[in-house]
Parts: sequence; C-alpha cells; structure tokens
Amino acid sequence: NIVLTQSPATLSVTPGESVSLSCRASQSISTSIHWYQQKSNESPRLLIKYASQSISGIPSRFSGSGSGTDFTLSINRVESEDFSIYYCQQSYSSLSTFGSGTKLEIK
Amino acid sequence: QIQLVQSGPELKKPGESVKISCKASGYTFTDYAMHWVKQAPGKGLKWMGWINTYTGKPTYADDFKGRFVFSLEASASTANLQISNLKNEDTATYFCARDYYDGTYDYWGQGVMVTVSS
Repeated sequence: NIVLTQSPATLSVTPGESVSLSCRASQSISTSIHWYQQKSNESPRLLIKYASQSISGIPSRFSGSGSGTDFTLSINRVESEDFSIYYCQQSYSSLSTFGSGTKLEIK
Repeated sequence: QIQLVQSGPELKKPGESVKISCKASGYTFTDYAMHWVKQAPGKGLKWMGWINTYTGKPTYADDFKGRFVFSLEASASTANLQISNLKNEDTATYFCARDYYDGTYDYWGQGVMVTVSS
C-alpha cells in the first residue's frame, strides 16, 4: 500500500501568516494527490485535487503543488476559519489511502 | 441539491452486528461509486474501500476484509455498511463519500458514530 506521510503533525500560526503543509508519498504517484479540510465534528471537504487543481467554491488562498512523491498545500494569509485538520489522499493506487493529517492551530 | 444522508448513531455490544446506511439524493445513484471511510475518536481518516453502484461489486482495503460488507439497495439509492462480530476497536465514526469519477470525494455523508461497549 502507498503510505502518505504528512508534516508537521501540528502547525501553530497567527492569523494572516502564510503556511505550507507537506505530504510525502512512499512511491511516485504522479499528481494523484488530493487535499481535504476537516473542521471539528464535521465531514471532510475537498479543497484541491490532482495536486494543484482548484475546486469550485474553495477560497483562492488555498493552492497546491508537487508531483511524484512530494506535495504541498499552501494557504496564503490564514484566516480564522482555516484552523482545522488537513488530510492528503492518494488515488494513484486502486487502494486509496489518507495521510495522518496536519492540525493547523492558532498560536 | 446533492445529499448523502446517513443513519443514526449506534450503541452495540462486542460480538453484535451493525448495519448503517447512506441514502443519496439529487443525482443518479448508479453513476457514481460510493466509498467508506472510518475515523476513530481523535484519530485520522482511514479508507475502508468502495462499492461500484452500477454492478454492486465491492472492494475492501486489507484491514477491512472479513467482517465488513458493503451492499446496495439501488432502488432506494442507498449504500449500506454492515460490520459483524463487533470489537471495541470498531468504535468510530463511519462516513460514506461519493467518488466524482476521478478518485476524489466531492460529497460526504454526515457520518455515523458507532460505539462498541460492553
């Protein structure tokens, strides 16, 4: 199975800062990585698909990059509503997997 | 509008079985695969597998082979997850999620909390 390793586990930032979250795959997966946001007690929400493709309705401050094994979710000028947990997911393999998540918290 | 509405919370004893449902509306049910995702309390998301809503063929992740069964009631636009011989470690929230043709999950159910406790 493809293992996705997210780092850091927790990221403490001040609103207005810009941040980058990392997701590393155990083997090359081209651009078959997707990012989700999960707020407390809510269902996950798709933010970015295929590494860098934007999703309708998602604020433009969210962007993604990467290919192969290293991927990044960037948030430009974090807002208060962005403090939540972010997961990456791969669909390269017929057996999908999620990363362990990065918690974005207020410093 | 597109919705996935799941059944209510469940409290079960070890060794019992549970069946939870995911009713889709607002689109043609058989056009999109349905995936299942587990989230234990305070933990991350774990992909369980998926079911082809056109053929009914299920695919399970390695950790979910044996006691877990995905099924359909296509006439009712409903996907089901049944877990048999429940164990304490099955305590979790279970989500259904629609696969938008491309391996991404664009709509999610609200989740069902299953608690296994003696």
